Amino acid sequence: GENVEQHPSTLSVQEGDSAVIKCTYSDSASNYFPWYKQELGKGPQLIIDIRSNVGEKKDQRIAVTLNKTAKHFSLHITETQPEDSAVYFCAALLTGGGNKLTFGTGTQLKVEL
Amino acid sequence: DSGVTQTPKHLITATGQRVTLRCSPRSGDLSVYWYQQSLDQGLQFLIHYYNGEERAKGNILERFSAQQFPDLHSELNLSSLELGDSALYFCASSVSPHSVNTEAFFGQGTRLTVV
Repeated sequence: GENVEQHPSTLSVQEGDSAVIKCTYSDSASNYFPWYKQELGKGPQLIIDIRSNVGEKKDQRIAVTLNKTAKHFSLHITETQPEDSAVYFCAALLTGGGNKLTFGTGTQLKVEL
Repeated sequence: DSGVTQTPKHLITATGQRVTLRCSPRSGDLSVYWYQQSLDQGLQFLIHYYNGEERAKGNILERFSAQQFPDLHSELNLSSLELGDSALYFCASSVSPHSVNTEAFFGQGTRLTVV
């Protein structure tokens, strides 16, 4: 099965700085990599995703990069704002045999004023 | 609001008891997924139903079971509860099974506390 590792577990940045969260996956057959943001008391919400045939995707202040050879992908948040404070989860989808989404262990991001 | 409704929001019960968690997917979504979120293990996939049929199983204990009804709502049954079952249980739904073209929407979760 798939195994996803996520680092760091906590990240503190100053408002306006950039934040980077990194994930690695084990199964080279995984082909879809979503990122979720979970605010306190709420369920995870998809913020950006990337497919295995794309190396980078950007949506305003958020970008995701994928290195298939190294089997790792990263979330980049620029010009961080206090409302970016949340737990972020990466995930990898292994299609076939039930299409299971495997999550990383999460990163608690704190944006300080 | 994701459109996925989970009830109850909070549940406190004693060890050895049985509880049922309920999930109503977004209108039109045929797939329902259950996840367990504990402090030390992140989001763990439990089980996936599509249009009433079980599609995939993850790390679901034998004491746990689920079903999806004809109206597409789903229930997760947890029995012989242990302290270690205390966690947040999330339901997610999507139009079709997970794929590169399918976004899954999560409910707000049920916080289960076993005392």
